[in-house]
Parts: sequence; C-alpha cells; structure tokens
Amino acid sequence: SQQGEEDPQALSIQEGENATMNCSYKTSINNLQWYRQNSGRGLVHLILIRSNEREKHSGRLRVTLDTSKKSSSLLITASRAADTASYFCATELNSGGSNYKLTFGKGTLLTVNP
Amino acid sequence: SAVISQKPSRDICQRGTSLTIQCQVDSQVTMMFWYRQQPGQSLTLIATANQGSEATYESGFVIDKFPISRPNLTFSTLTVSNMSPEDSSIYLCSGRQGGTDTQYFGPGTRLTVL
Repeated sequence: SQQGEEDPQALSIQEGENATMNCSYKTSINNLQWYRQNSGRGLVHLILIRSNEREKHSGRLRVTLDTSKKSSSLLITASRAADTASYFCATELNSGGSNYKLTFGKGTLLTVNP
Repeated sequence: SAVISQKPSRDICQRGTSLTIQCQVDSQVTMMFWYRQQPGQSLTLIATANQGSEATYESGFVIDKFPISRPNLTFSTLTVSNMSPEDSSIYLCSGRQGGTDTQYFGPGTRLTVL
C-alpha cells in the first residue's frame, strides 16, 4: 500500500472555516512534504517538514509532524474558495545513501464553498 | 524555489506511436525524477533520471517502455513508447533542490492516447 495515506479523502467546508487534513505513513522518513494540485495541473509545493521538526507555519498553513505516531497534519486557516484543490502528502524515506524519491498518498480533495 | 518547465503541456496521440516529453530545470536542482498520475489517482514514481547514465526504474516500469535521458544536469526527456490508451495520464517531471531537500514539480504533460 502507499507509504502515505491521507484522510479524509474529501472535505467540503464553507469559506472562512478551517480545514484539517491528515497523513499517515509506515516507515522512517527524512522529511514529509505537502503539495497542492488544482484540477489536472502541476503540483505546487506548500511546506517541507523534517523528521526532527514538530511544527511549521507558512502564512495560513500550519503543518505538524508526530514521528512517534507516524502522522502529519495540514491545517489551512480562514479558508478561501481559491483553496479548493487536491492536497497530497509525500514522504522522503530514510533509506540511507542517496535515495531521495518521494512516495505520495492518495490525496484529500478540499472544496471550499463561497 | 526551483523553476521547472515541461513540453508539451498536452498531447493527443494514436495507439502504437511514441511521445517524448522534455523537462528543463534551473541550476538549483541536483536530482530529477519522472512521475505518472493516472486519472483520479495519486502520483507514482516512474524513475530517477541520472545524469550521463541509465535511469533507475521503479518496479513495474521498464526502460523499453519509458526510455529516459538526462544528458546534462538541467535537462531530461521521458519517452512513452508504443502507446496504448492505458498510458493516458499526466506525466510530471520533478527536481530536488540541493540544500533545502525540497522537490519541485513541473506543470505536467497531459497525454491522451486514442
């Protein structure tokens, strides 16, 4: 199965509300990265959090990482209609050497209703 | 952030033909990767593009079907050979930025095979 698994698979909220998406993974990681994808387009990088970090902020985004539970969350505060997109977490595994590939979860489809 | 471009942005191809996708990254990128995203699915890594040597393919992907070149640090191509409708996907190039460990993605190539 996928290294990263997001939940929920779909989330629908009203503009102004907060949105929380969760990601779980199975093995030890170097870092975890969150991306946004608008319909059928490329991925926009949101935040990278390293395995020795617990929380990072960027504007309206807050990411947490709990390595003991092998889980991460992405919080979007004061959501806007423009935040409507699919959100993916991706893990870079700690496999030693120079293996830096990312393994993606299935994504959460966020719909923000105006 | 790294700047990554891809050509073409989309194409419609006939069964049995081949398509070559180009990816250009800026100089901050040290590693390059190719991913596939099938309709409604998450991203799956096809291979790591190695400069001046054969690409490293993931399980389920072979060089005869997806030949990859990376003649220099900032340019790579992916060819989808002998296409079938099952190859209809978005193909994305990514680059890992040295120093920040962040992976940035190109805008993707949307391929439809008839």
